[in-house]
Amino acid sequence: NAGVTQTPKFRILKIGQSMTLQCTQDMNHNYMYWYRQDPGMGLKLIYYSVGAGITDKGEVPNGYNVSRSTTEDFPLRLELAAPSQTSVYFCASSRTGGSGNTIYFGEGSWLTVV
Amino acid sequence: TQLLEQSPQFLSIQEGENLTVYCNSSSVFSSLQWYRQEPGEGPVLLVTVVTGGEVKKLKRLTFQFGDARKDSSLHITAAQPGDTGLYLCAGPRSGGSYIPTFGRGTSLIVHP
Repeated sequence: NAGVTQTPKFRILKIGQSMTLQCTQDMNHNYMYWYRQDPGMGLKLIYYSVGAGITDKGEVPNGYNVSRSTTEDFPLRLELAAPSQTSVYFCASSRTGGSGNTIYFGEGSWLTVV
Repeated sequence: TQLLEQSPQFLSIQEGENLTVYCNSSSVFSSLQWYRQEPGEGPVLLVTVVTGGEVKKLKRLTFQFGDARKDSSLHITAAQPGDTGLYLCAGPRSGGSYIPTFGRGTSLIVHP
């Protein structure tokens, strides 16, 4: 029952450092997403992918990069971390697009930039 | 960007009370989804509504999609502490593929 797995669960970064949040899903889903969640702000889409080799920007892509070399993996790269990137990050996946598709979320990664 | 406005932002009630939370937009949506997020976890889908006027029930939860498909409501009857969480509505962004956009959520606390 793995579903969507994110690592690490918690991380503290210093300003200017870089890191990668890992995300993998075992449901053979085509669509994958990265969201960030700040208190009282809901979920903001950072990047998404509709299949291996295809990625696109969401609402808040600045300061992040992604890749999708396989169906299973969708890592999120933070370059030159800034305090504004302190947030909870959620990776998610769905079988396809289209109305009615369930979005499955990972458990989240708590990132603090100091 | 299609905006989903949720109200109220916070709700604190006693066990056994009824409540309704709302999700409104100025845009028409082909479907809307409701998710519940418990502390320290990711959101989990509760229901999808796709037809204007549609009503769906999930035990003590009743979901309604507005006739014009611009709004939705979630009614909880006899709330229990286990209903505590953040309730998020989501709908597809404009442009074709179902890339969901989320409202800010309603944070519900049910006190024993």
